[in-house]
Amino acid sequence: AQRVTQPEKLLSVFKGAPVELKCNYSYSGSPELFWYVQYSRQRLQLLLRHISRESIKGFTADLNKGETSFHLKKPFAQEEDSAMYYCALHAGGKLIFGQGTELSVKP
Amino acid sequence: KAGVTQTPRYLIKTRGQQVTLSCSPISGHRSVSWYQQTPGQGLQFLFEYFSETQRNKGNFPGRFSGRQFSNSRSEMNVSTLELGDSALYLCASSPPVPGRLNTEAFFGQGTRLTVV
Repeated sequence: AQRVTQPEKLLSVFKGAPVELKCNYSYSGSPELFWYVQYSRQRLQLLLRHISRESIKGFTADLNKGETSFHLKKPFAQEEDSAMYYCALHAGGKLIFGQGTELSVKP
Repeated sequence: KAGVTQTPRYLIKTRGQQVTLSCSPISGHRSVSWYQQTPGQGLQFLFEYFSETQRNKGNFPGRFSGRQFSNSRSEMNVSTLELGDSALYLCASSPPVPGRLNTEAFFGQGTRLTVV
């Protein structure tokens, strides 16, 4: 079955601390994975996609096919990073989303 | 470019009624997808339209239907509303990418439907 799992509903860190939001997926083919972010009162927007291998707003994510993971990382969290983060898998013409992780960065 | 526009933003309906939600994609985007977002189930795919044809469909009952017009605008209809249909309905459009199914989605702000 195609599935995306984000084990943490809420992740709370202090400003300047490292952040890792976990994402595991289940997919038999070659996965295409994304991280979407939703800031307060804003629309859901693409943060990054694994095929581009870029860093956006200091965030990176590496696809680990052996562990079927696509964790999102940032070395130093900022208060403006506080938001809902969704990991998503593109499969069968649709996006399959995880349940989301709320990141709270405290001053 | 204007973003994906969904109307109305908020809607309150009574059980048994039907509702139509509208989505205008980003200019040039021909693929439009619909998602339902609820606290319990999260974001779930409803269907996708491309060039006025339904290309993919999620696991929702037949009460949920949609269509796409020649200008790529899309509508979603829910008939015989149930309390459980209360949700945020998100529309997303994707740009065309030659040679492959495009996967990057740009989302609208959603329509908040409340069924009472």
